Amino acid sequence: ETGVTQTPRHLVMGMTNKKSLKCEQHLGHNAMYWYKQSAKKPLELMFVYSLEERVENNSVPSRFSPECPNSSHLFLHLHTLQPEDSALYLCASSQGGWGDTQYFGPGTRLTVL
Amino acid sequence: AQSVTQPDIHITVSEGASLELRCNYSYGATPYLFWYVQSPGQGLQLLLKYFSGDTLVQGIKGFEAEFKRSQSSFNLRKPSVHWSDAAEYFCAVRSNSGYALNFGKGTSLLVTP
Repeated sequence: ETGVTQTPRHLVMGMTNKKSLKCEQHLGHNAMYWYKQSAKKPLELMFVYSLEERVENNSVPSRFSPECPNSSHLFLHLHTLQPEDSALYLCASSQGGWGDTQYFGPGTRLTVL
Repeated sequence: AQSVTQPDIHITVSEGASLELRCNYSYGATPYLFWYVQSPGQGLQLLLKYFSGDTLVQGIKGFEAEFKRSQSSFNLRKPSVHWSDAAEYFCAVRSNSGYALNFGKGTSLLVTP
């Protein structure tokens, strides 16, 4: 595997379910990101981890819970989501922070019923 | 806060014609600017970036962009468009925190025969 991978690629869940999105980067980077891409809206940054420490959290509802166990893996735990949370969730990684190029995974298409 | 505006939501060009996608930024100092492309069902791929130096930046797939401070613009260009260039194009600027990117809403490019 190369680059940034995300699993699953598609996920359908009910509002009472609990699920997790997984991201893995094979680039030796130190920072990882979760973005949300909704139709007709700009990409929204959700969380940033640098060296496994959360450094940014953009007022994301608590029903989204990130986890970064090491510099290569990033999870997004989901519980009691709402239909408006349906979106493409993109993971990215970069070597460091300031201005470094972010490399994106293919995303997980989430549908909340 | 740093932001970018992409004035064109959709653009249609004929294959072989030249292309220019507009991006205007709002930032006090010299910005870190990026152009990404997203094909259907895929993540974002970096086309090019500008940090400093030469204001004409060359990227992948034959794309280039020119940084114009006087116009607060970073327009993307390609002299001859190929059908495979049909995709969504995003301009982005580094945020104050240095970690996140602030994205525009994107321009959808359609290429006609």
